[in-house]
Amino acid sequence: GQQLNQSPQSMFIQEGEDVSMNCTSSSIFNTWLWYKQDPGEGPVLLIALYKAGELTSNGRLTAQFGITRKDSFLNISASIPSDVGIYFCAGQLRETSGSRLTFGEGTQLTVNP
Amino acid sequence: KAGVTQTPRYLIKTRGQQVTLSCSPISGHRSVSWYQQTPGQGLQFLFEYFSETQRNKGNFPGRFSGRQFSNSRSEMNVSTLELGDSALYLCASSLTTGFYEQYFGPGTRLTVT
Repeated sequence: GQQLNQSPQSMFIQEGEDVSMNCTSSSIFNTWLWYKQDPGEGPVLLIALYKAGELTSNGRLTAQFGITRKDSFLNISASIPSDVGIYFCAGQLRETSGSRLTFGEGTQLTVNP
Repeated sequence: KAGVTQTPRYLIKTRGQQVTLSCSPISGHRSVSWYQQTPGQGLQFLFEYFSETQRNKGNFPGRFSGRQFSNSRSEMNVSTLELGDSALYLCASSLTTGFYEQYFGPGTRLTVT
């Protein structure tokens, strides 16, 4: 079954607003990643997190690896229309090997100009 | 550097047929993972190949198989297609197995009628 809970499922915001989304799990993750997917395309890697407590930025995006290793959040500041898309969290469960990723259900972001 | 390429981009097959999808990873990347994306189940891991060997397998029936060639290119095969196999099949490459920063191709949209 699904091991990652991502929220919210969808967000409708005005251009310029800040956005926050998060993922939680009952299991421990070694790695958290955040991806963005546009319609008809594959997910694009935004940020990768490797250590509990790690806070990483990529332009207007900031993500954190939770201290408990069971959660992560992504913030987008000063949203713009091209931020529209589906954002996925993904991680590698501690008990798995190789490069296997478990994905959240996604957050559909709509930005109104 | 060229990204991950997948062929074909779109495919329509009839129930009972089989299909082969192809993936060329980013140059220098040796690990290739395959994922199935559907509206109902989201992104689910199929399998990972590294050094021409399957390193990891998700919870999919044996009708789903794959292989990797010496140049790291990979193919996945689905036999005896079912209607429920209709999905976006995504290939992701990473430098090596256990390296979690995976880069996705645009996917192959398979429709089974």
